[in-house]
Amino acid sequence: NAGVTQTPKFQVLKTGQSMTLQCAQDMNHEYMSWYRQDPGMGLRLIHYSVGAGITDQGEVPNGYNVSRSTTEDFPLRLLSAAPSQTSVYFCASSPRLRRGGANVLTFGAGSRLTVL
Amino acid sequence: AQSVTQLDSHVSVSEGTPVLLRCNYSSSYSPSLFWYVQHPNKGLQLLLKYTSAATLVKGINGFEAEFKKSETSFHLTKPSAHMSDAAEYFCVVNKDSSYKLIFGSGTRLLVRP
Repeated sequence: NAGVTQTPKFQVLKTGQSMTLQCAQDMNHEYMSWYRQDPGMGLRLIHYSVGAGITDQGEVPNGYNVSRSTTEDFPLRLLSAAPSQTSVYFCASSPRLRRGGANVLTFGAGSRLTVL
Repeated sequence: AQSVTQLDSHVSVSEGTPVLLRCNYSSSYSPSLFWYVQHPNKGLQLLLKYTSAATLVKGINGFEAEFKKSETSFHLTKPSAHMSDAAEYFCVVNKDSSYKLIFGSGTRLLVRP
């Protein structure tokens, strides 16, 4: 049981390049989300999904796109990378779908992205 | 609007002394609250969660937290710090009956020998 798998672990991009961070979970979780972690700012929610075909914006969605074509996968796309997107990105999933409820998150190991 | 505020960016304690990590939240709905821990270069792990069943919540590794509605607080405590507790701790709130889980800015706990 792999849990939440993120790839790549490390990536260096040049400004303006595009890339996709992959996230896959094998726990049949309904809820998936992407966070970015920056020093002194905690984790900020970028986008989330409550099921296949359903996505919504979090706190800092600008510059990122997501899609959820299957329950297992939730890729995060950077269309035109900027230095401000240098960060550590975490994918997280949750089995239960309860609005306002105790949705415990299972996290991936993180992807460290540097944009030059 | 800030949903969760961790009052200390760094806390330093001696091994064997109590730990207090402070968290205040704002929510117009009865919130679900969590504490997560992140050890250096690791992912995040759930310490404990509050879901309105009991105001005092016990978690893993001897940590506990008390929900105080009147003070809008959810402080994390441990009676006796261990060197292995050195990590960053995040208070998290389920914002306003939504699917959004909002993290505080984190408190880095240092444990001195």
